[in-house]
Amino acid sequence: GAVVSQHPSRVICKSGTSVKIECRSLDFQATTMFWYRQFPKQSLMLMATSNEGSKATYEQGVEKDKFLINHASLTLSTLTVTSAHPEDSSFYICSARNAGGDSGNTIYFGEGSWLTVV
Amino acid sequence: AQSVAQPEDQVNVAEGNPLTVKCTYSVSGNPYLFWYVQYPNRGLQFLLKYITGDNLVKGSYGFEAEFNKSQTSFHLKKPSALVSDSALYFCAVRGPYSSASKIIFGSGTRLSIRP
Repeated sequence: GAVVSQHPSRVICKSGTSVKIECRSLDFQATTMFWYRQFPKQSLMLMATSNEGSKATYEQGVEKDKFLINHASLTLSTLTVTSAHPEDSSFYICSARNAGGDSGNTIYFGEGSWLTVV
Repeated sequence: AQSVAQPEDQVNVAEGNPLTVKCTYSVSGNPYLFWYVQYPNRGLQFLLKYITGDNLVKGSYGFEAEFNKSQTSFHLKKPSALVSDSALYFCAVRGPYSSASKIIFGSGTRLSIRP
């Protein structure tokens, strides 16, 4: 199946600093990538939809200036958490739609990134 | 607006018994339906999907799901559970409007298989 790589898998940063998480589709082109946040024992909360070559579409309540998303190529999207605070600590998961695949446009997920802000 | 519901937070089944994880959905038009599994501290793995065609869909690891349009359900099933099936399962739905349609997840159901 299609592979989505997410890096880093775990990161610890100090309050006030910024941290970048990368999401790569390794064997397919992804015109659309999605960023989710997951709190312990809860479902995935869609943060934003990232479209290659255009601005990301953020969900209601998600601060676009705090969670910067860049989708510069068909295989890479990045999420930058700016001026991180402890409440930003969470499990962040990206996913990518295999636009070149079947009509179902199955979405494949990365392994997730644990962010801890201290 | 589209939505998906998983009414059970947890399902407990003995190994070897059949299992069912329930999912109902609400979407305008014909839905695209998915099941994903998440193991601890990991991302989501795709299990199966329904787009069109046969209502019974077969997926990975022996799982299958049945699309029931009249009941707007897409329950996940497996004839004989394994301890290794213990994980968190998510049902998801997407409307077929465009390639940019969002995928919405249910709240998840924790499946626990006892030996």
